[in-house]
Amino acid sequence: KQEVTQIPAALSVPEGENLVLNCSFTDSAIYNLQWFRQDPGKGLTSLLLIQSSQREQTSGRLNASLDKSSGRSTLYIAASQPGDSATYLCAVMDSSYKLIFGSGTRLLVRP
Amino acid sequence: GAGVSQSPRYKVAKRGQDVALRCDPISGHVSLFWYQQALGQGPEFLTYFQNEAQLDKSGLPSDRFFAERPEGSVSTLKIQRTQQEDSAVYLCASSLGGARTDTQYFGPGTRLTVL
Repeated sequence: KQEVTQIPAALSVPEGENLVLNCSFTDSAIYNLQWFRQDPGKGLTSLLLIQSSQREQTSGRLNASLDKSSGRSTLYIAASQPGDSATYLCAVMDSSYKLIFGSGTRLLVRP
Repeated sequence: GAGVSQSPRYKVAKRGQDVALRCDPISGHVSLFWYQQALGQGPEFLTYFQNEAQLDKSGLPSDRFFAERPEGSVSTLKIQRTQQEDSAVYLCASSLGGARTDTQYFGPGTRLTVL
């Protein structure tokens, strides 16, 4: 059974820092991996989607990498801002159409 | 509309009541998903539709949970005889086609509280 783990569970950093969020999964047979952002009381916003054949994706200050063989992905946020404060969720899609999520990393960027 | 919408946004039910949660997917999206998110956890898959066909309902926790999408657009998740453990945020997502490569777009969710 696929399991997704995110470390750390919570992170507090001062504004301007570069930071890395980690995601690991137990079964490397995935179709893709997505990083989402969730703000309190709101739904999920897709940040980056990496297909299984890709190694990384970039969007603005965000960069996500994927290493299928080791079952790991990282989300790199450059020059963090208070507006980046949210919960970041990692999810993998396996042979079904289901997204299997980690429990998330709660990020606080302090002004 | 531009995105996935869900109603109601908040629902309080007494234990034993039936509830119905509605999802309006993005127009033209073939696939529709329901997820359940407990406090402090990531969403967990409940069920999946492709058009009006329910292709996977393996995540529904009990036979008290029922979902339908009769015309291949709007979907309703019904929970009968609600229990306290049903309290969660119920998220709906849609994607354009039936491909695993399609991005799933999520609605704001319905927060269900069972007293």
